[in-house]
Amino acid sequence: EDKVVQSPLSLVVHEGDTVTLNCSYEVTNFRSLLWYKQEKKAPTFLFMLTSSGIEKKSGRLSSILDKKELFSILNITATQTGDSAVYLCAVEARKNNNDMRFGAGTRLTVKP
Amino acid sequence: DSGVTQTPKHLITATGQRVTLRCSPRSGDLSVYWYQQSLDQGLQFLIQYYNGEERAKGNILERFSAQQFPDLHSELNLSSLELGDSALYFCASSFRTGATGELFFGEGSRLTVL
Repeated sequence: EDKVVQSPLSLVVHEGDTVTLNCSYEVTNFRSLLWYKQEKKAPTFLFMLTSSGIEKKSGRLSSILDKKELFSILNITATQTGDSAVYLCAVEARKNNNDMRFGAGTRLTVKP
Repeated sequence: DSGVTQTPKHLITATGQRVTLRCSPRSGDLSVYWYQQSLDQGLQFLIQYYNGEERAKGNILERFSAQQFPDLHSELNLSSLELGDSALYFCASSFRTGATGELFFGEGSRLTVL
């Protein structure tokens, strides 16, 4: 059965710290891995990764995928209180029935 | 604002009842996805429609059903409600069915079953 596992489940840091969030997966016929940020309600898209070793970057956030070891990391540098959110990892499989499987998320709290 | 509209935002009902959640996708998006998010849990995929047809099914209970109408809006019907059905139900849309890529999520419908 397809599985997406995120770690840690929760993390508390102080402003300015750097954090690394992990996502490992077991999916048949992997197509892509996506990261979303969920603050109060609707998840919002951060990155989509399809190729190993190519870093995607947006400001202080970056992410990379390792298709051999089946994991991805999301890095946030110089964290700010506004980064506090649940970060969701999702994996899309290349199947006849397409769906996107989400992990349980990592709840990040950034303290001033 | 993602462009995906969900109604109602909040709904409180009793066990055994039936409710309908509605979703209007972003203009031009043909795919609609429904997800359930229970307290402190990730998003559980329920069902996907593309241009009016069911394309993928996840862990959707038999008591739940959905459809997508010709104008592309979708409805999720939840019947014989149980306490455990209390959750946030998200609708998301994308343009294509294959190579899903980015999903655009609505604000969710929070269902409370008492």
